Amino acid sequence: DQQVKQNSPSLSVQEGRISILNCDYTNSMFDYFLWYKKYPAEGPTFLISISSIKDKNEDGRFTVFLNKSAKHLSLHIVPSQPGDSAVYFCAADVQGAQKLVFGQGTRLTINP
Amino acid sequence: KAGVTQTPRYLIKTRGQQVTLSCSPISGHRSVSWYQQTPGQGLQFLFEYFSETQRNKGNFPGRFSGRQFSNSRSEMNVSTLELGDSALYLCASRANYEQYFGPGTRLTVT
Repeated sequence: DQQVKQNSPSLSVQEGRISILNCDYTNSMFDYFLWYKKYPAEGPTFLISISSIKDKNEDGRFTVFLNKSAKHLSLHIVPSQPGDSAVYFCAADVQGAQKLVFGQGTRLTINP
Repeated sequence: KAGVTQTPRYLIKTRGQQVTLSCSPISGHRSVSWYQQTPGQGLQFLFEYFSETQRNKGNFPGRFSGRQFSNSRSEMNVSTLELGDSALYLCASRANYEQYFGPGTRLTVT
């Protein structure tokens, strides 16, 4: 039972354009969402998070949008840079549980 | 501030053996969680420790166990290793809501 889904295994974007990564969840108990970036042979690096009481959170080039009614969140990266090429994971949690449930990841490739 | 550290980084074991992995959290972080990453199952939660107590556990067999020490360092142990235990084992620590991951220990079971 995949509670957090990233339906696009890969995404290719031109440098300077916007990258949009999507994530859907099924468990309505989730109330905190996070995005992580992962390079091969390294641990995930925390990027940005959002609580269910908000619908948007920005940090520099990264913005996360949450649509609770659709149980959908997205990560926007603007402008995309070559160093953004990595696998991106979305994760969900029930606050206090600290038991992150991860999606399968989306491999983002930024082309020059 | 130093990040989460894990030792060893790579490990090769044979079926039936046991293994202990170590994790040192970010200074001041009292919560340590462990995750397993495999190509087929993705990143899956193993367990979480806080103040030397296991607070949460994922759906893994009893062969997987852990502990946390008074300095917040944590170890996880896998007994009677199986081929399917080959994975990247990740440790994460947190102070608030965000978890910060270490580089992982790559375990290969032959």
